[in-house]
Amino acid sequence: GAGVSQSPSNKVTEKGKDVELRCDPISGHTALYWYRQSLGQGLEFLIYFQGNSAPDKSGLPSDRFSAERTGGSVSTLTIQRTQQEDSAVYLCASSLFSGSGNYGYTFGSGTRLTVV
Amino acid sequence: KNEVEQSPQNLTAQEGEFITINCSYSVGISALHWLQQHPGGGIVSLFMLSSGKKKHGRLIATINIQEKHSSLHITASHPRDSAVYICAVSPLVTDKLIFGTGTRLQVFP
Repeated sequence: GAGVSQSPSNKVTEKGKDVELRCDPISGHTALYWYRQSLGQGLEFLIYFQGNSAPDKSGLPSDRFSAERTGGSVSTLTIQRTQQEDSAVYLCASSLFSGSGNYGYTFGSGTRLTVV
Repeated sequence: KNEVEQSPQNLTAQEGEFITINCSYSVGISALHWLQQHPGGGIVSLFMLSSGKKKHGRLIATINIQEKHSSLHITASHPRDSAVYICAVSPLVTDKLIFGTGTRLQVFP
């Protein structure tokens, strides 16, 4: 597609339920990132996939959070046993990474998650 | 101290005014990004800079690598420019962006 596509755009879930957020990056982009923006807060890094390398999971806030990227393309961020503090906008971005730098960094429109 | 600092945090302007938002960073970088986020909206990448100056319409972004400083300028500001502007850097040692806390701009007619 022309841009980074995220679905759903909005999700309301009950506390304790599991949710899956999807990101479809720009075709050919080797790098994919998940970020989170909590209400009134800045953006925080969650996880990063680059090619076939092991993902950088250093930003995941707890073991309830996991993500995978299938076939080097679509990524799914899963939050198990959701808590109210998980309520945030979850943003996905992709880029083309080469040895000389990071190019075409593009954000999706985000998924607004509300845990009630 | 945050690795990326923006100023001001909040900015109000009258339509037509020239606006400057500043960003300072403390890490070595391969690039600096300026992002725009409208209320309730997603994030749009405005510029990616590694040196010099870029211009797109009424927006101008400059970077001074030696001073670790970048500015975003908006000429002839308009109410539709009202948004949060975020500075982010791509550090040399990682591909993860480090974000500033954003500058909330309101332009009144």
